[in-house]
Amino acid sequence: SAVISQKPSRDICQRGTSLTIQCQVDSQVTMMFWYRQQPGQSLTLIATANQGSEATYESGFVIDKFPISRPNLTFSTLTVSNMSPEDSSIYLCSVEFWEAGTGELFFGEGSRLTVL
Amino acid sequence: GENVEQHPSTLSVQEGDSAVIKCTYSDSASNYFPWYKQELGKRPQLIIDIRSNVGEKKDQRIAVTLNKTAKHFSLHITETQPEDSAVYFCAANFNKFYFGSGTKLNVKP
Repeated sequence: SAVISQKPSRDICQRGTSLTIQCQVDSQVTMMFWYRQQPGQSLTLIATANQGSEATYESGFVIDKFPISRPNLTFSTLTVSNMSPEDSSIYLCSVEFWEAGTGELFFGEGSRLTVL
Repeated sequence: GENVEQHPSTLSVQEGDSAVIKCTYSDSASNYFPWYKQELGKRPQLIIDIRSNVGEKKDQRIAVTLNKTAKHFSLHITETQPEDSAVYFCAANFNKFYFGSGTKLNVKP
């Protein structure tokens, strides 16, 4: 399996500010994803973080609001820009880790953001 | 993208009973179907998965079945225990992972 470190684990932010979440994996992985989990809700895919190219965003998510970097195969960042209270959520980094021909999805611990 | 529907949203069973959670998916190209358990305040954890070339898979008290023709798959938990209480998510994968809406399972002692 993969060990995924995500930070910050939680933060309280002011409306209109931006926050960058970091995700570090202990091994090289091809596929990294960012999810959002609003309180009591499911996991919604924000984007696929592509190494060396722009992220691929899902419907309803745009680069200006959620810029993503993926400088190498072990690291990615997600920025939540110009935050509003509606952005209060848990943001999860995840990776697809392949071993013995099987790919499984693993999650970081999540970053709980509260926007005031 | 893929559309995954999950039922029921809540499920309450007596300890020792069985629990069944069902999911359907829309994209016939999906070929991998994992199930995750999420306890309060924790990250989702993979508990079992099944691939499209298999109809059923079992791991102790947990089993998953897949019907590719009907595009649905199910999680079965037998002899439920209070520690099985959590939210369970199904997912479908073809390049990306899309999740169902979740089932909150409550096992009453």
